[in-house]
Amino acid sequence: DAKTTQPTSMDCAEGRAANLPCNHSTISGNEYVYWYRQIHSQGPQYIIHGLKNNETNEMASLIITEDRKSSTLILPHATLRDTAVYYCIVRVAGNQFYFGTGTSLTVIP
Amino acid sequence: GAVVSQHPSRVICKSGTSVKIECRSLDFQATTMFWYRQFPKQSLMLMATSNEGSKATYEQGVEKDKFLINHASLTLSTLTVTSAHPEDSSFYICSALKEGGGELFFGEGSRLTVL
Repeated sequence: DAKTTQPTSMDCAEGRAANLPCNHSTISGNEYVYWYRQIHSQGPQYIIHGLKNNETNEMASLIITEDRKSSTLILPHATLRDTAVYYCIVRVAGNQFYFGTGTSLTVIP
Repeated sequence: GAVVSQHPSRVICKSGTSVKIECRSLDFQATTMFWYRQFPKQSLMLMATSNEGSKATYEQGVEKDKFLINHASLTLSTLTVTSAHPEDSSFYICSALKEGGGELFFGEGSRLTVL
């Protein structure tokens, strides 16, 4: 079962930073947090993942709180092509990835 | 990034027939692959974990005799939907776990329509 909760939907103005929150209060010490996004009728696209430290790549930044009970995905300059459903996932000990309901992000021109 | 390929992308079949979907990791070896299904406007639901050279592990409520999974090599896993019925119509998505880096890469999905 998914160990994450996310807001159902969010809007963001084009060019602004999109901050997507995720709660994972029952996460265990060795479980990673992953973020994926899915555009309609396509397979999910990997964005970023982390364990304890903040992570950054060419797509986004991942901020994980010190107690690891929540995290935030940051898209620094949202574009219209970033409109998608964003999933925050905890990778459990058996390597399974259980998807929650995700956040539907709409980037507004 | 790494590429996972699924085939076919769309398939229409008659009720009672069986359908095979292939999932290949094109540029890395995957000991572990996963199969998901997704209904319209819903999230992805994990069906089973496929491990190369061993039996798949099915999630609770998923019929192993109906959804046959074979992971015969480090780059190929197949899902066979046996005796398909209209309620099996769905979007089936596979994924492959890249060792070392820990990323899970997804295929583009296969849309099954059972008439």
